[in-house]
Amino acid sequence: DAGVIQSPRHEVTEMGQEVTLRCKPISGHNSLFWYRQTMMRGLELLIYFNNNVPIDDSGMPEDRFSAKMPNASFSTLKIQPSEPRDSAVYFCASSPDRDPNTIYFGEGSWLTVV
Amino acid sequence: GNSVTQMEGPVTLSEEAFLTINCTYTATGYPSLFWYVQYPGEGLQLLLKATKADDKGSNKGFEATYRKETTSFHLEKGSVQVSDSAVYFCALSDNNQGGKLIFGQGTELSVKP
Repeated sequence: DAGVIQSPRHEVTEMGQEVTLRCKPISGHNSLFWYRQTMMRGLELLIYFNNNVPIDDSGMPEDRFSAKMPNASFSTLKIQPSEPRDSAVYFCASSPDRDPNTIYFGEGSWLTVV
Repeated sequence: GNSVTQMEGPVTLSEEAFLTINCTYTATGYPSLFWYVQYPGEGLQLLLKATKADDKGSNKGFEATYRKETTSFHLEKGSVQVSDSAVYFCALSDNNQGGKLIFGQGTELSVKP
């Protein structure tokens, strides 16, 4: 079975540019999560959706960050404009309603803003 | 609020040594507990889990027992291998919050031949 698929795997961009990260959750999973991992702050939950609806976005750092889930098989996390302090690994994860506490992670998008 | 505390790393062991990585938690209610592993350059993988007190999760020789009385979920393995070198994350999920995971800070394990 295909796992959570993220793209791009690696991105290097200049400060001020727009960055869009993409995620395809596991088919049949109802919840989707975006996490950010940095050395300083560890793993932080940014936002999560259930049945395509944002449930908790309290972890989104500021207005430069936005996330959408237009359908059950696709989500985006956008940063506009990007800043060097946004450099991190961004993970997408999903879980099914029948077992919502078991979360499956993608391999991450490694973002560097210079 | 809910939180997870792990022992600080890095932990360096010789091959075939016994491993313990301590994890304690603070939570209201009855959380589920997890160990995730992150190999270099990769995403997180679920290693094992336990959903109620006294449950033991196990996988690939690793074990952890949900101890409500000590609010702990320590990870153990009897004989580590070089291939176990990775970062290990303890996490809890509040069963009333739809699967949100709260992670510990991670413990890096390095196993030398």
